[in-house]
Formats: sequence, C-alpha cells, structure tokens
Amino acid sequence: TQLLEQSPQFLSIQEGENLTVYCNSSSVFSSLQWYRQEPGEGPVLLVTVVTGGEVKKLKRLTFQFGDARKDSSLHITAAQPGDTGLYLCAGAISWGKLQFGAGTQVVVTP
Amino acid sequence: KAGVTQTPRYLIKTRGQQVTLSCSPISGHRSVSWYQQTPGQGLQFLFEYFSETQRNKGNFPGRFSGRQFSNSRSEMNVSTLELGDSALYLCASSSGRATNYGYTFGSGTRLTVV
Repeated sequence: TQLLEQSPQFLSIQEGENLTVYCNSSSVFSSLQWYRQEPGEGPVLLVTVVTGGEVKKLKRLTFQFGDARKDSSLHITAAQPGDTGLYLCAGAISWGKLQFGAGTQVVVTP
Repeated sequence: KAGVTQTPRYLIKTRGQQVTLSCSPISGHRSVSWYQQTPGQGLQFLFEYFSETQRNKGNFPGRFSGRQFSNSRSEMNVSTLELGDSALYLCASSSGRATNYGYTFGSGTRLTVV
C-alpha cells in the first residue's frame, strides 16, 4: 500500500503569518495533487505536480514536488482567514484512484 | 460549465436497507470515481468507471457497487447498510485520459445509517 503521511495534523496561525504543510511517502507517485476542502463540501483541486523538483506558484501558495517524486510541500505566504480549510495531498496511483493523506486542518484567525 | 452534481445531499437510512447515490460529471468527462470519507479513515477509493466500464476498484465489500450510463452519469449502491457505512460519499469527474490529471469533486452525499 502506498501511504502518504501529512504533517502537521493541525495548524493554527494568525493572519499574516506563513505556514508549510508536508506530505511524505516511501513510494514514488506519477503525480501529487493538492486539494482544499471546506466543511460539508468536496475537495477542490489546487494544483497537480508531475515532474520531480517541480515548483508551482499559485498567488500566495507555493507547491514543491521532491526530486525523487516521493514528497511534496505546500507553503502559504501571509495567510488570510480565507485560507482556512482542510488541506489534502493525494498521490495518483492508477485510473481514477488517488491515495489521500489524512489532511492538515489549517485555521487562520484575524 | 456546470460542476459535478451529486444527489441527494443528505440521506438517513436504517440498518439493513439499501441506498442509491447519483453523480453527474462535468460535461465531456467520461471518468467518474467514487470515494468514501470518514473521520477515522479519511478519503478511501471505492471504484472508477470510464465509458460504462469499471476500470478500477478499491478494497470495499461487495455490498458496494456502481454503474455508469452512456451519458457518463454514475450511480453507486450500498446494500444491507451497516452503521459503519455512515460517511460522506464523494464522486470525482475527470477526462479519464491520463492518471495525472486533477479531479473535480462534487459536494458529496452525507449518508447517515441509524
């Protein structure tokens, strides 16, 4: 089984601070995807990283894919209350099948 | 374009009953995947359908089944419901042409078994 470990499980920060979420595995994935989920809703895709060493930026969010394609990180600069949510990393395994991490609950207070 | 539509949003069923959930993917998408989300186990893959064929399956008992119609709409069925089947059931839509593409999830169906 290809497991994905996310850390930390919970992050509570003040508006304007930076944060980083980590996603690690002992297995290689063809791609890593990051999603954000709000209560009672489905996950929303933020980014897909495919190439080892790849860095993608989405406004204040920066995503990295490790050189060996086993780990990834999400960094948020100057967090805002609207960044509050459950952040999930997911590795593509096969058709339609993603292996999800347990998620990181981020709370940004004004 | 319209997103992924799941119906119903909420369901309450009694142990032993069966339930059918529906998912309409984004227009043009031919792949529909189903996931179960619980606080204890997180998101777990149930199965994936592409062009009316089950292409992939997770580790769930045979009580969980699904199908896909020619218009790509999909249904999943759970028979002989157990208390442990209470969960948020999510479907995800994609073009299905590669495993690296991201998925668009619906808002889910919250199933409560009493």
